[in-house]
Amino acid sequence: GENVEQHPSTLSVQEGDSAVIKCTYSDSASNYFPWYKQELGKRPQLIIDIRSNVGEKKDQRIAVTLNKTAKHFSLHITETQPEDSAVYFCAASKEGAQKLVFGQGTRLTINP
Amino acid sequence: GAVVSQHPSWVICKSGTSVKIECRSLDFQATTMFWYRQFPKQSLMLMATSNEGSKATYEQGVEKDKFLINHASLTLSTLTVTSAHPEDSSFYICSVPLGSQETQYFGPGTRLLVL
Repeated sequence: GENVEQHPSTLSVQEGDSAVIKCTYSDSASNYFPWYKQELGKRPQLIIDIRSNVGEKKDQRIAVTLNKTAKHFSLHITETQPEDSAVYFCAASKEGAQKLVFGQGTRLTINP
Repeated sequence: GAVVSQHPSWVICKSGTSVKIECRSLDFQATTMFWYRQFPKQSLMLMATSNEGSKATYEQGVEKDKFLINHASLTLSTLTVTSAHPEDSSFYICSVPLGSQETQYFGPGTRLLVL
């Protein structure tokens, strides 16, 4: 089955700097890759997603890149702000299967 | 606003009792819902896929007789943790795909503490 690896497990950056979180997946049939942000005790919130027919997608300060050949995708947050502090999860799924396989999560801390 | 609700938000129970958790999709119908479990500082692990009108599909290692799933309508799935034990204490979250798309929305979660 699918296996998703996420790095780093923790990341600390200065406010205003950029943060990058990387994930790799094992199943070449996976074609949908969402990123979720989870604050302590809350539900995961979808922040951006990308499908395999696209190499990059951007939404304001957040961008995701996908390299199908290498089977990895990354989340980029620019101009980080304290409210970006949270745990971020990447995930992967196959068309039609819908069920998501999650990475281990990255605890992002933005230092003022 | 939220598209998925979950009830209760938290529950404390004695060891050996059963606990039922409800997941509802709001404003749309869902033939499929997913149940995840999340232990402290860990990732979300898929437990089972709830299928409206048919049996749930369980992930490897998840006991179907312990975690009973019922998807009786297009807007409601329930997860019953039977004979709960302290090791079942966790954060249980459901998710619902929006239509035929892969995009999934999560419920607010249910925090279960078994004493």
